[in-house]
Amino acid sequence: GAVVSQHPSWVICKSGTSVKIECRSLDFQATTMFWYRQFPKQSLMLMATSNEGSKATYEQGVEKDKFLINHASLTLSTLTVTSAHPEDSSFYICSARIQGDTQYFGPGTRLTVL
Amino acid sequence: QKEVEQNSGPLSVPEGAIASLNCTYSDRGSQSFFWYRQYSGKSPELIMSIYSNGDKEDGRFTAQLNKASQYVSLLIRDSQPSDSATYLCAVRREYGNKLVFGAGTILRVKS
Repeated sequence: GAVVSQHPSWVICKSGTSVKIECRSLDFQATTMFWYRQFPKQSLMLMATSNEGSKATYEQGVEKDKFLINHASLTLSTLTVTSAHPEDSSFYICSARIQGDTQYFGPGTRLTVL
Repeated sequence: QKEVEQNSGPLSVPEGAIASLNCTYSDRGSQSFFWYRQYSGKSPELIMSIYSNGDKEDGRFTAQLNKASQYVSLLIRDSQPSDSATYLCAVRREYGNKLVFGAGTILRVKS
């Protein structure tokens, strides 16, 4: 399957700081990438849809000013968690869509906010 | 009613048996259906996609789709302990490009 990478794989930060997570499609161009969040023992929750060259579309209840998404190129989307707080601690996973509907997931980034 | 429903399990099967995982969805116009496997602490990994009614086989895995009943299933033959994971069913609605995920079914294969 297609390869999607994320960086960093884990991060620990202090409350109030901002954290940037990168999602890259390594062997294909992805016009659409998705950002998910997953809390322990819960399913994936879609946060936003990121389209190259345009503003992201956020799901209901997701603060766009807190979770900044930039999709500057066909192979890179970034999620910045601004002014992170302990309740933002979660597993953040991106996915990329190539042909049709199939989404390939990155390995995820585990964020811990102290 | 949740848009995509799965039994949370755990579903326990002995090694070598057939594991049957089920999923129902509410949007009758849904077009595309996917099964992902997620190991604890890892991200989901695509197992299979299915778009048409009937069966689709890939190695030990068989996906079954019945749009009239709004039902999709995944069969795992000759289950192995390494198949122990959470299996997520995902559905693309009739409109839009988002996938809606079920909560997942925990599968445990006992040796």
